[in-house]
Amino acid sequence: QSALTQPRSVSGSPGQSVTISCTGTSSDVGGSKYVSWYQQPPGKAPKLMIYAVSKRPSGVPDRFSGSKSGNTASLTISGLLAEDEADYYCCSDAGSYTWVFGGGTKLTVL
Amino acid sequence: EVQLVQSGAEVKKPGESLKISCKGSGYSFTNYWIGWVRQMPGKGLEWMGIIYPGDSDTRYSPSFQGQVTISADKSISTAYLQWSSLKASDTAMYYCVRLSGDGYNSYDYWGQGTLVTVSS
Repeated sequence: QSALTQPRSVSGSPGQSVTISCTGTSSDVGGSKYVSWYQQPPGKAPKLMIYAVSKRPSGVPDRFSGSKSGNTASLTISGLLAEDEADYYCCSDAGSYTWVFGGGTKLTVL
Repeated sequence: EVQLVQSGAEVKKPGESLKISCKGSGYSFTNYWIGWVRQMPGKGLEWMGIIYPGDSDTRYSPSFQGQVTISADKSISTAYLQWSSLKASDTAMYYCVRLSGDGYNSYDYWGQGTLVTVSS
């Protein structure tokens, strides 16, 4: 059960869009309907941003969207704001009530 | 309001035992899986394991099986993470998390974290 692969860092200017990828295998991301994404600002606990690949919890802006193709899930943030600067983690179930996280991506808003 | 409130920071020596807690409120504790997530200093999130307080069904990540014990006391709506012999490499922030009960299997609520420091 290896960590899902995410880019170490991404960056964008305010107003731009960025996409963070999350690559796994057919045993987790590729075979799962339950990929989720979490935002962790510096020094804070993570917060759920996307669940079930593309659904947004209430209160999460529609600038955040998720998708999946094959073994890779993606989080797209459009209309970047300074407050979006944080670490982002994907998570997928890996069968038998076990889960695996991605290594995390640091988003810098330039 | 759903809340997961974790016990306070701990400073321990290698070889000591430790049990940290996570108290759920604002929902039916018995009916939701509770998991634990490790975050070592400057590193990413690692899924450790999960327990269903209703029947104590517990699952572990292969990386943590045999290294920690997850338990729960449904009478006081509290889940636990324990070590029998701490190592310096156990130094980390530990979060408890609630698995959503809507069938979509996401972690919808997080505790505030418990910082465990193991140092001689």
